[in-house]
Amino acid sequence: GAVVSQHPSRVICKSGTSVKIECRSLDFQATTMFWYRQFPKQSLMLMATSNEGSKATYEQGVEKDKFLINHASLTLSTLTVTSAHPEDSSFYICSARRPGQNTDTQYFGPGTRLTVL
Amino acid sequence: GNSVTQMEGPVTLSEEAFLTINCTYTATGYPSLFWYVQYPGEGLQLLLKATKADDKGSNKGFEATYRKETTSFHLEKGSVQVSDSAVYFCALSNTGNQFYFGTGTSLTVIP
Repeated sequence: GAVVSQHPSRVICKSGTSVKIECRSLDFQATTMFWYRQFPKQSLMLMATSNEGSKATYEQGVEKDKFLINHASLTLSTLTVTSAHPEDSSFYICSARRPGQNTDTQYFGPGTRLTVL
Repeated sequence: GNSVTQMEGPVTLSEEAFLTINCTYTATGYPSLFWYVQYPGEGLQLLLKATKADDKGSNKGFEATYRKETTSFHLEKGSVQVSDSAVYFCALSNTGNQFYFGTGTSLTVIP
C-alpha cells in the first residue's frame, strides 16, 4: 500500500490566494522529504529538499518566498504556494526517504494537481 | 553533471508486442538507476532499479540492465498488455538525495 500520502489530491483556487499541500509518511519517520513539480507531458523537476527541524534547501530558480516549505515533524512536510497565479498550475509531487533502507529508496506521493484560475 | 536522456514518445504498440524504451545517462561517480511508472492521474511508482554495473532490475515482466560501458539502462518487456499503458520515467540518483529524471515516455498499448 501507499506509504506516502498527499492532501489534497486536487485543488482549484483563485489567483492571489494561498494553497497548502500536505505530504505525510504513513508508516515511517522521514527526516528528509522532497518536493517536485511536474508540468504537463514533462518530467519532474526537484523544487526543494525538506529537512525536519531545519530550513528547506531550494533548487536554483525556485522562489523561496513563493513556495514555503515546512517540515515540522518527522511524518509531515507542507508546501504552501503563496499568492498563487495561473502559471503556478501544475502537478506537485512529494517523496520521502525511508530510514534504514538503501539511501536511494524514495517513496513518492500520489501528487496534488493545482489549478489556479 | 548528472542527467538522463530517454527516448521521446509517444509509443504505441499492439498487445503482446515487444517493448524497448531507451535510456542513457551522464553521471559522476556510480549512480543508482531507476525506472518509474506513472499511471494516468497518479503519482510515480517504482518499477525497478539497479544499483551497480551489470545488475539487472526486473518487475512485472519488465527488465533493465545497468550498462556502465554504454551508460545505458534500457527498459524492455517481451509482451506488453493494455494495462501497461502509462508514462515511464528513467531516473538516476547519485547521493540518495536528488533524483534526476528523464522527460518520460508515454506508452499506449492497444488491444
